[in-house]
Amino acid sequence: RKEVEQDPGPFNVPEGATVAFNCTYSNSASQSFFWYRQDCRKEPKLLMSVYSSGNEDGRFTAQLNRASQYISLLIRDSKLSDSATYLCVVILNTDKLIFGTGTRLQVFP
Amino acid sequence: DGGITQSPKYLFRKEGQNVTLSCEQNLNHDAMYWYRQDPGQGLRLIYYSQIVNDFQKGDIAEGYSVSREKKESFPLTVTSAQKNPTAFYLCASSTNRGSYNEQFFGPGTRLTVL
Repeated sequence: RKEVEQDPGPFNVPEGATVAFNCTYSNSASQSFFWYRQDCRKEPKLLMSVYSSGNEDGRFTAQLNRASQYISLLIRDSKLSDSATYLCVVILNTDKLIFGTGTRLQVFP
Repeated sequence: DGGITQSPKYLFRKEGQNVTLSCEQNLNHDAMYWYRQDPGQGLRLIYYSQIVNDFQKGDIAEGYSVSREKKESFPLTVTSAQKNPTAFYLCASSTNRGSYNEQFFGPGTRLTVL
């Protein structure tokens, strides 16, 4: 079983739609969780951290379920500019990040 | 402007040749990292360094070597021992204060071995 698993997609959604991605992790000792965004042929950039209580940043909401060992990312009112690959990142300790393979989102007009 | 630079953006080499990828940062970060990204796979850690003159192997260090003689620089050499070197290579840096700090990535180098 992979340490971090994501549905690769692609998720094709119309502008204005709400879309949700899940990411599961295998190590219950995982400490910290993040979502990164990666545009085509570019470097990843931090989108948001994921806290146990859940957190929201504008149209984006991230949630953590430790019991079921998954994190989620919800995007409301999708924009064309949201088209990208979303990487789930899990940290076991301060030295090591584990990246998921990414979920590709394509928002169409 | 502060940031991480990688050069070149695209690199082509013949099989059997060693090649060195450059990574420079002016963010005054202590820690630097090298990742490899292949289609359909997540980023995999090759080497990392938390302080000058020290570095550790990541998950896929075989066939690679690094040096950290200066805080700003962390070059990666892809040797002829690396069996499948064609990939997208990403360098990252972060502060190093005992808890997780965001890793900032460079723009990457696409290496193609012919």
